[in-house]
Amino acid sequence: DVKVTQSSRYLVKRTGEKVFLECVQDMDHENMFWYRQDPGLGLRLIYFSYDVKMKEKGDIPEGYSVSREKKERFSLILESASTNQTSMYLCASSLPLSRRDEVRTEAFFGQGTRLTVV
Amino acid sequence: AQSVSQHNHHVILSEAASLELGCNYSYGGTVNLFWYVQYPGQHLQLLLKYFSGDPLVKGIKGFEAEFIKSKFSFNLRKPSVQWSDTAEYFCAVNNFNKFYFGSGTKLNVKP
Repeated sequence: DVKVTQSSRYLVKRTGEKVFLECVQDMDHENMFWYRQDPGLGLRLIYFSYDVKMKEKGDIPEGYSVSREKKERFSLILESASTNQTSMYLCASSLPLSRRDEVRTEAFFGQGTRLTVV
Repeated sequence: AQSVSQHNHHVILSEAASLELGCNYSYGGTVNLFWYVQYPGQHLQLLLKYFSGDPLVKGIKGFEAEFIKSKFSFNLRKPSVQWSDTAEYFCAVNNFNKFYFGSGTKLNVKP
């Protein structure tokens, strides 16, 4: 079964700290995603990566950066954490639509990291 | 960017009631549509998806959804809900490989 693993379930960081959120998937998926989930706002896309070292900004990239040095790993970086970045962060992976004939082309999600910035 | 609208933010039903959750999307081209569920404390899981073909798709746990292209809609239905269906439900669209999600609908089923 597909597994997307996020390194931490809960994190508490101080304002101004540099924060790394790590995500690993074990299904050789080309696409990986970082979302933040806030009550009443659903999931908002922060960054998307479609291959190693390739990335695209999502809808809310400000204050974040990403790194994808290996296909299975996608990191989200908060350069200088702020209180408005307190949120649930979700990582996901998927096959590209070019492989749509394969059965499982949906996005698979990790358990999430609840980040609190104080 | 694609937008996805879920108009029901919070729905309360009694067991055995029928469920319909609305979802509308903005993009007029070829889309791939999904419904995900998030049970309390758990990760998002796929309920069902539509890529092409029969616009009425069936998913897990008795859920189904109907794609109506002319209305840009992909509404989720279940004829008879159970207490265990209490969860948050998200509609999603895949456009150019990116998944866009609605704001979610919290369903509370009273026993």
